[in-house]
Amino acid sequence: DAGITQSPRHKVTETGTPVTLRCHQTENHRYMYWYRQDPGHGLRLIHYSYGVKDTDKGEVSDGYSVSRSKTEDFLLTLESATSSQTSVYFCAIRSGTTEETQYFGPGTRLLVL
Amino acid sequence: GENVEQHPSTLSVQEGDSAVIKCTYSDSASNYFPWYKQELGKRPQLIIDIRSNVGEKKDQRIAVTLNKTAKHFSLHITETQPEDSAVYFCASPADRGSTLGRLYFGRGTQLTVWP
Repeated sequence: DAGITQSPRHKVTETGTPVTLRCHQTENHRYMYWYRQDPGHGLRLIHYSYGVKDTDKGEVSDGYSVSRSKTEDFLLTLESATSSQTSVYFCAIRSGTTEETQYFGPGTRLLVL
Repeated sequence: GENVEQHPSTLSVQEGDSAVIKCTYSDSASNYFPWYKQELGKRPQLIIDIRSNVGEKKDQRIAVTLNKTAKHFSLHITETQPEDSAVYFCASPADRGSTLGRLYFGRGTQLTVWP
């Protein structure tokens, strides 16, 4: 499982509230990614990180922000949750520039009411 | 992502039959093509991948073929079993010549194997 954990695993929240999801890895991987998965859309990249404090936007970044203050943690924040952000969120890692394979965390199921 | 098209979206086969899922990509410079399997409620897991310097790769009942001229690659599962039932995703690199490692994923194929 590449030493990846996500927390919380399930969350129910209300529209307009802030939400932070955490991805934690124990194997010093440089690259980390946040995806959302919705029926019929596959996996879509929200944000990614290529090192501590180095992050950039993916294809569906509106309404999301990220932070990476240390190698092992990559946080995804929904500043003001909306019902359209109800989804399953997966974190993934890649170990280095010559390693192309991404490995996924267990996922967080988020419901915004 | 728009750069990877995956077909079919659903596939039903009888146990023992073969299943084929196809993906097309747009960037001729793409050089890495993974396939992931996702069981219900679980994380996507890599099952096989192929790089552009080979045309086919096999791992027991699973194989992937790559046609660089036509820009498509396919997953082949032979002698299907009920435990092969899952959603399968293909992917290809989003960045030409970059080390960022971003991937575009297809929209997935729900494979159902009937006993």
